[in-house]
Amino acid sequence: SQTIHQWPATLVQPVGSPLSLECTVEGTSNPNLYWYRQAAGRGLQLLFYSVGIGQISSEVPQNLSASRPQDRQFILSSKKLLLSDSGFYLCAWGNYNEQFFGPGTRLTVL
Amino acid sequence: AQTVTQSQPEMSVQEAETVTLSCTYDTSENNYYLFWYKQPPSRQMILVIRQEAYKQQNATENRFSVNFQKAAKSFSLKISDSQLGDTAMYFCAFMIYNQGGKLIFGQGTELSVKP
Repeated sequence: SQTIHQWPATLVQPVGSPLSLECTVEGTSNPNLYWYRQAAGRGLQLLFYSVGIGQISSEVPQNLSASRPQDRQFILSSKKLLLSDSGFYLCAWGNYNEQFFGPGTRLTVL
Repeated sequence: AQTVTQSQPEMSVQEAETVTLSCTYDTSENNYYLFWYKQPPSRQMILVIRQEAYKQQNATENRFSVNFQKAAKSFSLKISDSQLGDTAMYFCAFMIYNQGGKLIFGQGTELSVKP
């Protein structure tokens, strides 16, 4: 069965510091991968998605970037965090008719 | 632009009773999928039920069922015999067929099941 991992689970970072959140999937090959952000416990917003290694599509212009260095690895990064980057970040894997989520990372920028 | 609207920010129901959560969506596409996800306090997103737009029959999963009205662009979730463990945020979402599998979410309904 498929499993999706995210780490870290929680993170507190100062404004202006870099960010790297990692997501890995087990039990499937060539999955579509997604990064979502959930602010204030409501509504998920799609940030990035990837249909293959090195292929990244950005949905919302922002301070973040994503990379997919391996088939089942998806990384969310920032060079300098802003206060507005605080939120709950969810990674998901899926195909064209369903999607499954990881446990999420709670990011607090101070 | 595609949108999903959940007009009930909060709802409550007594244990063992039935509750219906509302969802409407807007799209000009004809082929898509609809979903209800549950997010308990742990914040793990859990898929509750899925509906293919081309299917007229409403999807059911144990105590969970949907009322899918394609012409009205409505997709409500009915929870029967509510249990305390059903307490969670519920999100309605849809996915356009063959557009990268991107999910578009509503703002959620916070459901409280009371003993």
